[in-house]
Amino acid sequence: KNEVEQSPQNLTAQEGEFITINCSYSVGISALHWLQQHPGGGIVSLFMLSSGKKKHGRLIATINIQEKHSSLHITASHPRDSAVYICAVPYSGGGADGLTFGKGTHLIIQP
Amino acid sequence: NAGVTQTPKFRVLKTGQSMTLLCAQDMNHEYMYWYRQDPGMGLRLIHYSVGEGTTAKGEVPDGYNVSRLKKQNFLLGLESAAPSQTSVYFCASSFTGTSEYGYFGPGTRLTVT
Repeated sequence: KNEVEQSPQNLTAQEGEFITINCSYSVGISALHWLQQHPGGGIVSLFMLSSGKKKHGRLIATINIQEKHSSLHITASHPRDSAVYICAVPYSGGGADGLTFGKGTHLIIQP
Repeated sequence: NAGVTQTPKFRVLKTGQSMTLLCAQDMNHEYMYWYRQDPGMGLRLIHYSVGEGTTAKGEVPDGYNVSRLKKQNFLLGLESAAPSQTSVYFCASSFTGTSEYGYFGPGTRLTVT
């Protein structure tokens, strides 16, 4: 089973700051997922990546396959970015059998 | 296009009671999953299905049963609820497993007293 570690567990920052959330995993994977869980509980997929870097608006995700590490960056952070950010990888590296998740990073952006 | 829906949204059960959680998706996805989320822990996979008529165990399957009689529906059953099954349950679906985006339902908050 793949093991996922996220850091930090909690992060409070001021509006406008550059945010970095880190994720490391133990077993080689086919793809890594970043998800956002809103304060109301809903979960949304942000990124799925298997190499390099992806960018959606102010969010950037990078992955280093050799080091088994990924980062999620938020530029020009805003209070609406406050949420739990979750990293997830395939349970056994790849295939159909679901995801294994990190415990999440609880991000609060203060105005 | 409703995406992934879950019924019910909230439920309180007494120990020993049974219930079924329904997950429905209208995206023609082959793969469907049930996860549970507990405080201080990441989501954990209970059961999954790779197509109509198929089911398989995940990381924490004990105390749960599932069925996928129709492609669009994935049912999670608790035959004899226990307080340890108090949790938030999420259903998810995707076209081709974990190598593409998953779509999550809104969750079901279950309390077993």
